[in-house]
Amino acid sequence: TQLLEQSPQFLSIQEGENLTVYCNSSSVFSSLQWYRQEPGEGPVLLVTVVTGGEVKKLKRLTFQFGDARKDSSLHITAAQTGDTGLYLCAFPDFNKFYFGSGTKLNVKP
Amino acid sequence: DAGITQSPRYKITETGRQVTLMCHQTWSHSYMFWYRQDLGHGLRLIYYSAAADITDKGEVPDGYVVSRSKTENFPLTLESATRSQTSVYFCASKSTGNNQPQHFGDGTRLSIL
Repeated sequence: TQLLEQSPQFLSIQEGENLTVYCNSSSVFSSLQWYRQEPGEGPVLLVTVVTGGEVKKLKRLTFQFGDARKDSSLHITAAQTGDTGLYLCAFPDFNKFYFGSGTKLNVKP
Repeated sequence: DAGITQSPRYKITETGRQVTLMCHQTWSHSYMFWYRQDLGHGLRLIYYSAAADITDKGEVPDGYVVSRSKTENFPLTLESATRSQTSVYFCASKSTGNNQPQHFGDGTRLSIL
């Protein structure tokens, strides 16, 4: 059973376009993390969101945690080829982590 | 350099063989984790450890054994490898605190023929 559903699974866009990826669940989370994974490497943490309705910005990336703390989104403005990678959401549960299956983003030049 | 290292990076073995994947971290993090990553499944937790000599099962522990005699090392052993265990394996560590980030190694790509 996948506790975290991510959509879309794949996304291929041109450089300069905007995009949003989603992470949804029927469960309520105390917090949620977003990671990015590049080919041949392990995931790297981008952000942790903790409060319902919270919005965090990391340069061109905007992360939002749903008011009910059941969902989150990642919006990228003016995507660059360097944004290419696998984006994973995860929630911590007493120091264990559950990951979504990820959104594979390809940004074409 | 501080960090988390996995070895080997690539391994090919045959069904029925025993294989051990190594993980070493230099931060003295309390928690260490083993995940497998397969297409369509994201990262699935195999085992984790809260401290030396304390280990616990994750989502998919069957067919795997772990140990943690020292804080910095967390080896994962497949006692009798099966083809279904072909995957990319990631080790991670984190400090205490629910929202602390996990730090991942670069993975071991394991193929079982």
